[in-house]
Amino acid sequence: KQEVTQIPAALSVPEGENLVLNCSFTDSAIYNLQWFRQDPGKGLTSLLLIQSSQREQTSGRLNASLDKSSGRSTLYIAASQPGDSATYLCAPRDDYKLSFGAGTTVTVRA
Amino acid sequence: GAVVSQHPSRVICKSGTSVKIECRSLDFQATTMFWYRQFPKQSLMLMATSNEGSKATYEQGVEKDKFLINHASLTLSTLTVTSAHPEDSSFYICSARDSTGDNYGYTFGSGTRLTVV
Repeated sequence: KQEVTQIPAALSVPEGENLVLNCSFTDSAIYNLQWFRQDPGKGLTSLLLIQSSQREQTSGRLNASLDKSSGRSTLYIAASQPGDSATYLCAPRDDYKLSFGAGTTVTVRA
Repeated sequence: GAVVSQHPSRVICKSGTSVKIECRSLDFQATTMFWYRQFPKQSLMLMATSNEGSKATYEQGVEKDKFLINHASLTLSTLTVTSAHPEDSSFYICSARDSTGDNYGYTFGSGTRLTVV
């Protein structure tokens, strides 16, 4: 069974700082990995999708890396803004199922 | 981009009644949809996988007679919580995968907050 760990569990930074969110997973035989954002009481918004053959993926201020062999992915958010405050979830995909960690809750202080 | 619509967003029901939650893929066909449950400050727990035209596959520990899933078309899956009790109060989220290609990720609905009183 895939186990996903996200560190840190919570993070509070002043506006403008860069964020580094870590995700590790136990089974490296994944199809791909998605990073999601969840606002309180809302559903999940997909941020980035990295295929198993890729090393990284970028979208605007977001960059995600994937080291499949070591079971790790990292999400970088550059120049954080208060609007980035949310919980971030990584989800590796095994065959057709996604597995989730508990997420990293980010607070960006103005 | 792919959009999944989930309704209702909030529902309050009395103990012992049943509640139906709908999940629709608006601009793509979804042969497979997924239902999750999320407790406060916890991650998503997969409840079941819904396949169009066939019976759903439930995860271990999930009561299939309590959480009825129907996936009658390529764009609609429903979750019915039968004989609801206060312990069923939770946040339920559905997701879908575009069946036309595997290069796309999964799209999630906006969730349903169920409160059983």
